[in-house]
Amino acid sequence: ETGVTQTPRHLVMGMTNKKSLKCEQHLGHNAMYWYKQSAKKPLELMFVYSLEERVENNSVPSRFSPECPNSSHLFLHLHTLQPEDSALYLCASSQLVGGAETQYFGPGTRLLVL
Amino acid sequence: GEDVEQSLFLSVREGDSSVINCTYTDSSSTYLYWYKQEPGAGLQLLTYIFSNMDMKQDQRLTVLLNKKDKHLSLRIADTQTGDSAIYFCAETRATNKLIFGTGTLLAVQP
Repeated sequence: ETGVTQTPRHLVMGMTNKKSLKCEQHLGHNAMYWYKQSAKKPLELMFVYSLEERVENNSVPSRFSPECPNSSHLFLHLHTLQPEDSALYLCASSQLVGGAETQYFGPGTRLLVL
Repeated sequence: GEDVEQSLFLSVREGDSSVINCTYTDSSSTYLYWYKQEPGAGLQLLTYIFSNMDMKQDQRLTVLLNKKDKHLSLRIADTQTGDSAIYFCAETRATNKLIFGTGTLLAVQP
């Protein structure tokens, strides 16, 4: 149990659907992240929220829309996705302490876009 | 280059030692990490090492750091079938920014 939970664990959606991924951390951390993990590619950082403000947005298409209502919750809103968006979406959280910033990951949401 | 590099695949027999290697890019990285990902699961933090150390041992795991060559390795002693997974190294590129390697698939043969 890592203290970071994600729902749903699996999601199948059509290209015209709208869905949301949810992440919750129970570790008291002050930063949260969305990553995309595709086959045969390194983990891609999508968004970073630190103290509930977005501090990084790595040229992610606008069909992905993050939301961080408080330090414990992070959402990824999805709309009009493409088949190439099928991947494992991982949420992580961290706390910056004395220079060390260890990120703890959730189990991921496996997304299939048809 | 920009990438953190790892070999793609390693196969060992149960009971042998495994050594997974990583070459990172940023000599100013303060912390370097090893994560484990089992099939269908997220990333699990295994261990990390501060850049002013050259070795860290934690039970069956030994991390070696060669800052001059920007080389990081993870040694797993007495490898078990439950160690079969993908192992990722990661470096701290900046605050709130970890850069991950491509991952090494470790297959443990019984």
